[in-house]
Amino acid sequence: EPEVTQTPSHQVTQMGQEVILRCVPISNHLYFYWYRQILGQKVEFLVSFYNNEISEKSEIFDDQFSVERPDGSNFTLKIRSTKLEDSAMYFCASSEAWGGYGYTFGSGTRLTVV
Amino acid sequence: SQKIEQNSEALNIQEGKTATLTCNYTNYSPAYLQWYRQDPGRGPVFLLLIRENEKEKRKERLKVTFDTTLKQSLFHITASQPADSATYLCALAGGGGADGLTFGKGTHLIIQP
Repeated sequence: EPEVTQTPSHQVTQMGQEVILRCVPISNHLYFYWYRQILGQKVEFLVSFYNNEISEKSEIFDDQFSVERPDGSNFTLKIRSTKLEDSAMYFCASSEAWGGYGYTFGSGTRLTVV
Repeated sequence: SQKIEQNSEALNIQEGKTATLTCNYTNYSPAYLQWYRQDPGRGPVFLLLIRENEKEKRKERLKVTFDTTLKQSLFHITASQPADSATYLCALAGGGGADGLTFGKGTHLIIQP
C-alpha cells in the first residue's frame, strides 16, 4: 500500500536554529498538508498546499514557517527560528483531491527544541 | 469558536462486544466527517468518511452515523478485538470551503480479552 514517507523520524535542535522537515507524499496525490501534535494534545492543522501554492493555513502557521515543493516528489516544512514551544510531532499528509477523500498521514517527525 | 468533543476518558470494552464512540461538535457546518485511528507514536490512519448528506456508512466491522441536526457522529466497532485498542480521532472538514481537518482530542479505546 502506498505510504507517505517522512524524514527524519527524530530531530533535536537548539532554540533559534532553523529546521527542515521532509516528506514524500503519495505520487498521484494532489493535496499536501502539514499537521502537528504536541505531546498529549490533539492533532492541529498547519497548512495545506495545492498546485504549488499554499491553499489554506492556520493561525499557528506564522512567518516562522514556510513550505516548499522543491521537486516533483518532496514536500518540506521549514521552521526558521525554532522556539521551545515548537517541540511536537509533525505529520505530513496527502490526499487524492479535495472534497471527501481520506488523508494518508506519514509516521511523523518528532521535533525536540532544547 | 469551533469545538469538537470526544470522550476524553478511556473506554473499556469486553472483547466481542460493540464499542461505540461519540463525536459532538459546535459552531461548525462540516461538509464531511472522518474517523481515524492513532496508535502511540504513530500518525493517524484513515478509517471512514461520511458526507453531510449521508446518514450511515459501513466498512467491514466499522459503522459511522452522522446526524447534522444533533451535530453528532457515532462510531461503532462490532465484534471488537484486543487489536482494536487504540485512540480514535474524529475530524471535520469542508465548512466554508476550508480543506484543513479539525481534529478532536480522541477517545482511547481498550478492548479487554
